[in-house]
Amino acid sequence: GAVVSQHPSRVICKSGTSVKIECRSLDFQATTMFWYRQFPKKSLMLMATSNEGSKATYEQGVEKDKFLINHASLTLSTLTVTSAHPEDSSFYICSARDEGDQPQHFGDGTRLSIL
Amino acid sequence: AQTVTQSQPEMSVQEAETVTLSCTYDTSESNYYLFWYKQPPSRQMILVIRQEAYKQQNATENRFSVNFQKAAKSFSLKISDSQLGDTAMYFCAFMIPSGSRLTFGEGTQLTVNP
Repeated sequence: GAVVSQHPSRVICKSGTSVKIECRSLDFQATTMFWYRQFPKKSLMLMATSNEGSKATYEQGVEKDKFLINHASLTLSTLTVTSAHPEDSSFYICSARDEGDQPQHFGDGTRLSIL
Repeated sequence: AQTVTQSQPEMSVQEAETVTLSCTYDTSESNYYLFWYKQPPSRQMILVIRQEAYKQQNATENRFSVNFQKAAKSFSLKISDSQLGDTAMYFCAFMIPSGSRLTFGEGTQLTVNP
């Protein structure tokens, strides 16, 4: 089956630093990748959609300068949380899909803690 | 815009019994896809089952089956012979063809008791 690898699984860092999270599709080419944020016991909140080689489309209310997304290849997308602050602490999940109407396949998520 | 509603924040069931999770949605589209995802305590999102709206036959995957009522815009998940490993948050999700983005419900936390 389709496998999406997300790294790192856990990050703890100081306020003001930037953190990069990687999302890779291991056995398929992901034309579209998605980044979600999830608060405890809540649903997934879509942050942005990225297509390979083009700029990401951000959801309303998501700061594009705070959450930088790069989708440079068909197998890799990165999310960089710039100048992270404690309020950015959360669980971030990526997903990827191939062409057509295939379902999204999710990474295992990254738990980000900003001290 | 599409909306997905899961009206049961929490449910519990005894091991080996059957449980049904509810999901309703609202859309003006005639063709679309519906999904149930499972998120266990590890927080990995796992696709449980998928239904195409143009198919009248309800999807089944081993112990998991759906009751898809298109006119009522209802998409419930039935879990038979519940197992302890079924304990998880379950999300109902909607997608239009070629739209690619998923619209999630708020989730139902299912606990299977021994």
